[in-house]
Amino acid sequence: AQSVTQLDSQVPVFEEAPVELRCNYSSSVSVYLFWYVQYPNQGLQLLLKYLSGSTLVKGINGFEAEFNKSQTSFHLRKPSVHISDTAEYFCAVHYSGTYKYIFGTGTRLKVLA
Amino acid sequence: EPEVTQTPSHQVTQMGQEVILRCVPISNHLYFYWYRQILGQKVEFLVSFYNNEISEKSEIFDDQFSVERPDGSNFTLKIRSTKLEDSAMYFCASSVGQGAGEQYFGPGTRLTVT
Repeated sequence: AQSVTQLDSQVPVFEEAPVELRCNYSSSVSVYLFWYVQYPNQGLQLLLKYLSGSTLVKGINGFEAEFNKSQTSFHLRKPSVHISDTAEYFCAVHYSGTYKYIFGTGTRLKVLA
Repeated sequence: EPEVTQTPSHQVTQMGQEVILRCVPISNHLYFYWYRQILGQKVEFLVSFYNNEISEKSEIFDDQFSVERPDGSNFTLKIRSTKLEDSAMYFCASSVGQGAGEQYFGPGTRLTVT
């Protein structure tokens, strides 16, 4: 079955510290991978995407993610977080041959002063 | 930059009433989608629509739901007889193609069923 797992429901981290938010998906021949951020009572904002090519992708707000096909992972990283990064982060996977995105359950990032 | 728009931003309705959520996809996009997010939960796929037909739907998308592209610009989601559990944020999305093309999400409509 196609599924996306975000193991960490909440991640507290101090300001200016690095952070990694984990995302794993069930194996498939071809996938397209996305990270979205959602601020309270707002919509989904695309942070970054992997469609093909380099496995290290850079996105907005200093975020980056690495596609690891053998580990079926697409972890999101930021070297130094700010208070304003406090939000919910969703990993999404588009399996080739389907129409839908499958979202993970989300990780709530809380940046502490 | 073109964007997906949705109206209304917030809809309150009574249980059993019909609601129509409206979306204007990006003008050159051909594939359209609805997703929903119950408060505090993940985003779930409802339906995809292409060439005036449903191309894929989830188990959630039962007979009380329908979608339509009534004209060249709007894409609607109708819930025939709303239930309390239909309360959620509903996101519309559109894409140029089905494959590697990115789906662009609208800001969402918050539906509250009382």
